[in-house]
Amino acid sequence: AQSVTQLDSHVSVSEGTPVLLRCNYSSSYSPSLFWYVQHPNKGLQLLLKYTSAATLVKGINGFEAEFKKSETSFHLTKPSAHMSDAAEYFCVVRGNSGYALNFGKGTSLLVTP
Amino acid sequence: NAGVTQTPKFRVLKTGQSMTLLCAQDMNHEYMYWYRQDPGMGLRLIHYSVGEGTTAKGEVPDGYNVSRLKKQNFLLGLESAAPSQTSVYFCASSSVPIGELFFGEGSRLTVL
Repeated sequence: AQSVTQLDSHVSVSEGTPVLLRCNYSSSYSPSLFWYVQHPNKGLQLLLKYTSAATLVKGINGFEAEFKKSETSFHLTKPSAHMSDAAEYFCVVRGNSGYALNFGKGTSLLVTP
Repeated sequence: NAGVTQTPKFRVLKTGQSMTLLCAQDMNHEYMYWYRQDPGMGLRLIHYSVGEGTTAKGEVPDGYNVSRLKKQNFLLGLESAAPSQTSVYFCASSSVPIGELFFGEGSRLTVL
């Protein structure tokens, strides 16, 4: 079964410092992986996706993620956090059916002044 | 641009009552999904549809039914609501399988 594990339920950073949100995946074949962001009381928005092209994927708002097959990881990073980055972040992998996506449990990012 | 619209946004039900959540998308997407979001659980897929007239079960389908009579609409029904169905429900659509999902803003359902 295709699944993801987000290693931290909460991450707190200071504004201007780097962000690292960790995600490990489990997949029996080459995975399709995504990061989505959810701001308070809003729907989810796609940040970036990996579909077996470049292993370093750039997304919106300065975020990027690196696919590491040897480590089965797809960590999300940003060089410098902004207050507006405070949100819930979900790592997502394509499911068994080929149509559905399986979501991780989410990481809540807090950005302090 | 409307995108994906869910109605209602809030609803309180008593145990045993029925209701229908409506999802409408104006992007001509083939694929539509219903997820539920519970604290600490992420999003879990309830049902999905790969085109008009089709539906399929997701991870947590029990207690829910769906219909896709028109391409732009995807209805989620609760025939006999239970407190365990208290949740925030999200509809999403995509143009291709495993493509970018476009989400509605959610429907908060409380079952007493």
